[in-house]
This record gives sequence, C-alpha cells and structure tokens, in this order.
Amino acid sequence: IAGITQAPTSQILAAGRRMTLRCTQDMRHNAMYWYRQDLGLGLRLIHYSNTAGTTGKGEVPDGYSVSRANTDDFPLTLASAVPSQTSVYFCASSDSPRGWYNEQFFGPGTRLTVL
Amino acid sequence: GQNIDQPTEMTATEGAIVQINCTYQTSGFNGLFWYQQHAGEAPTFLSYNVLDGLEEKGRFSSFLSRSKGYSYLLLKELQMKDSASYLCAVYSGAGSYQLTFGKGTKLSVIP
Repeated sequence: IAGITQAPTSQILAAGRRMTLRCTQDMRHNAMYWYRQDLGLGLRLIHYSNTAGTTGKGEVPDGYSVSRANTDDFPLTLASAVPSQTSVYFCASSDSPRGWYNEQFFGPGTRLTVL
Repeated sequence: GQNIDQPTEMTATEGAIVQINCTYQTSGFNGLFWYQQHAGEAPTFLSYNVLDGLEEKGRFSSFLSRSKGYSYLLLKELQMKDSASYLCAVYSGAGSYQLTFGKGTKLSVIP
C-alpha cells in the first residue's frame, strides 16, 4: 500500500452499536488525525495524535475515542453510535514539522450512516 | 478562538481567472494551507504560505498578508476539472500539529 488507507469505505450502523473505523498509513508519519466532514460545517477535528503512544482531543471529541499503539495505525471508535454521528470521516497524517511545514495527507474517507 | 471565513460558493467561466478569498482570526499563526477537494473525494494539498507574498505554482497562486489576516487562492485559465471545493486551513503551531479548516468554497466552472 502507499499513503493512507481507511476501512470500511462505507457503513450503515444501527444506533447504539459500537463501531471502529480503521486507518493505516505507510509513510512513517509521526502525526495522525481524525476529522468529520458535514455539509455546511467543513472539516472538524475529532482527535489527533502527535506521535505513537499519545493522543489529544480536537474540536468535536465527544462520543469518540482513539488509540495510537504504533506509528502506522490510528483507529477511531464510536462506543455507542447516535444518528448525529452520521458523517464522512477522514483520517490524515503528517510528518513532524520540518521548520513550519505541516502538509497533511488524507485517506479516502469512510461514509458512515447511523440509523 | 479560531475563525476562518471563505465564501460559500463561486461560479466562473472556463478559461477565466478566479480569486477565492480567505480571512482568518486565530490564536497563533504558523502558516496557511489551501486544499482542493473534488466531490466525494479526499482533500489534496495545493499550496502553503508562511511568509507574506505570492507563491506561484503553475496555474495556481496563493497570496498571504499576515498583518491583515488574509489570503487568496488565484486560479488562472480555468478548466472544467477545477470545479471542486477549495479549503483554507491555518496552522497555529503552539506545540500542536493541528490545522483549523474553513468551511470551504465550492467553485463551479461553467462553459
């Protein structure tokens, strides 16, 4: 693989169910991110990880959790899905800043519908 | 707080020039990014400005004025494939690698 992969591509989920969105990158980037994108609201950061073993909360973390056991993987878990979590989820990664530069590379996204 | 403003939609004619503006008010500034996102796809990197002035990259240019909290993306010789959303994002730094994104500008290129 090259770049960032996400799984599944799309999912329909019953409210109250637990769901894990997977994200894997092979670029050895230190930092990884999870965003949700909703019409009219743009990309909003859910959680991030600056390096393996550390995570942090973004703008909209409630109802989501993440882990970063190694450099490559950054799964996002919805413990008990609710309809307001219907969205397109993007995973991204970036190299540690070389000076000021911090380009993020995005995965193809997961379209999640919670009914 | 963080506030990034862009026009919601714009329409331009094939072959023309279009300028997409972005204004920002953020706690800290260490660079501004522009991303392109076609419908149903992931955002892809277009440009990065950290110092004032114009950065040119083929048909696309990006300008930054830090004192005014203002940037624009200039697209020349518009092509139909340029129809997409354009996202402005600010890197505030301060020990985090996070970007704050604007809501995006949907550009429609018409014949």
